[in-house]
Amino acid sequence: QSALTQPASVSGSPGQSITISCTGTSSDVGAYNYVSWYQQHPGKAPKLMIYDVTKRPSGVSNRFSGSKSGNTASLTISGLQAEDEADYYCTSYTSSSTWVFGGGTKLTVL
Amino acid sequence: QVQLVQSGAEVKKPGASVKVSCKASGYTFTSYYMHWVRQAPGQGLEWMGIINPSGGDTTYAQKFQGRVTMTRDTSTSTVYMEVSSLRSEDTAVYYCARLDWGLAGSFDYWGQGTLVTVSS
Repeated sequence: QSALTQPASVSGSPGQSITISCTGTSSDVGAYNYVSWYQQHPGKAPKLMIYDVTKRPSGVSNRFSGSKSGNTASLTISGLQAEDEADYYCTSYTSSSTWVFGGGTKLTVL
Repeated sequence: QVQLVQSGAEVKKPGASVKVSCKASGYTFTSYYMHWVRQAPGQGLEWMGIINPSGGDTTYAQKFQGRVTMTRDTSTSTVYMEVSSLRSEDTAVYYCARLDWGLAGSFDYWGQGTLVTVSS
């Protein structure tokens, strides 16, 4: 199972919006709505930010939103803040009853 | 509150085995599957496999089949992940993470991570 494809890095200024893409195949992202996104700050465990493609867990800012079209899921962060600077990972359930992560995207807030 | 507490850092020689534990509390242990995920230094997250604490059944990523074994002890609400025939490329932080099907198969709680260093 190959990793999902994410851009290595994205950047934006405070207050701006950015979008991170996550491209898979018809056997994972395209087949299920079991796509979730995680934020990871250096030296910390990942934190769930989006699940079921579009839903936010309790306590996650509504500046974070998710979507999906075909085999590509996306995470959008609006009103960028300094604290959003982190690594972001997508993951999807697969037709092999396994999970696969994206390679990760480093977000820099300029 | 849900907590996943992992065992401490390990240093192993190539060819050895390591067993990492993850003790769960704050919820019904047998009601939620547990994933294992690893992260090599400066690299991304890699899914290793999953265990059903109720029945003990497991599913492993193809890459780890034959070299990774996941088990559980329901009396102590602990899951274990053992990696055999260690090589330098296995140096990584290993995480346990709870699977919540109620949140569409997401990993809702994570352990603090266990650093395993493989070095001669």
